[in-house]
Amino acid sequence: ETGVTQSPTHLIKTRGQQVTLRCSSQSGHNTVSWYQQALGQGPQFIFQYYREEENGRGNFPPRFSGLQFPNYSSELNVNALELDDSALYLCASSFRGDGYTFGSGTRLTVV
Amino acid sequence: ELKVEQNPLFLSMQEGKNYTIYCNYSTTSDRLYWYRQDPGKSLESLFVLLSNGAVKQEGRLMASLDTKARLSTLHITAAVHDLSATYFCAVVWNRDDKIIFGKGTRLHILP
Repeated sequence: ETGVTQSPTHLIKTRGQQVTLRCSSQSGHNTVSWYQQALGQGPQFIFQYYREEENGRGNFPPRFSGLQFPNYSSELNVNALELDDSALYLCASSFRGDGYTFGSGTRLTVV
Repeated sequence: ELKVEQNPLFLSMQEGKNYTIYCNYSTTSDRLYWYRQDPGKSLESLFVLLSNGAVKQEGRLMASLDTKARLSTLHITAAVHDLSATYFCAVVWNRDDKIIFGKGTRLHILP
């Protein structure tokens, strides 16, 4: 049984650029959610996908968007990057919300 | 809007002592999670609490849930240095499946 894997592990982007982060769900999990964790803060819920449909969204602007694929892997896209987008981005998967397994995260730095 | 409050936010304690971390939340929820995070690392699932009166124990950690009081506790028994980490509670908001984290409790156990 594989866990949740995220790629890349680290990324540096310039303000205004666009970024795509990727997440492979744990085997058997059909729900994936994304979080932004700024340094010293708790994770902030970005959105959640269940069977390729978005079924929950936090207070993030539309330039944060996502996809879930038929194999339940997922992407987080952020357009027009801002300095404040620098954070650890965490992906978590579950089977219908019964406990979430987190990936090791992607640390994004916007300069 | 669901709010999740943890206290204390920072706790420094001696090995061998007992202590409790509290997690209050503001609206009805049927799922509460506790996670551990080591510096620079992802989140490790500790407990999933699904019903009123649920109590789960793993080693020196015990978590409980009172849905009527909207309160969960994480009790540490005879603390050891290895338990030093940041502990988060996270609550699912029933209305749209948002997962809201507390700010975390940074636990430092002195040898």
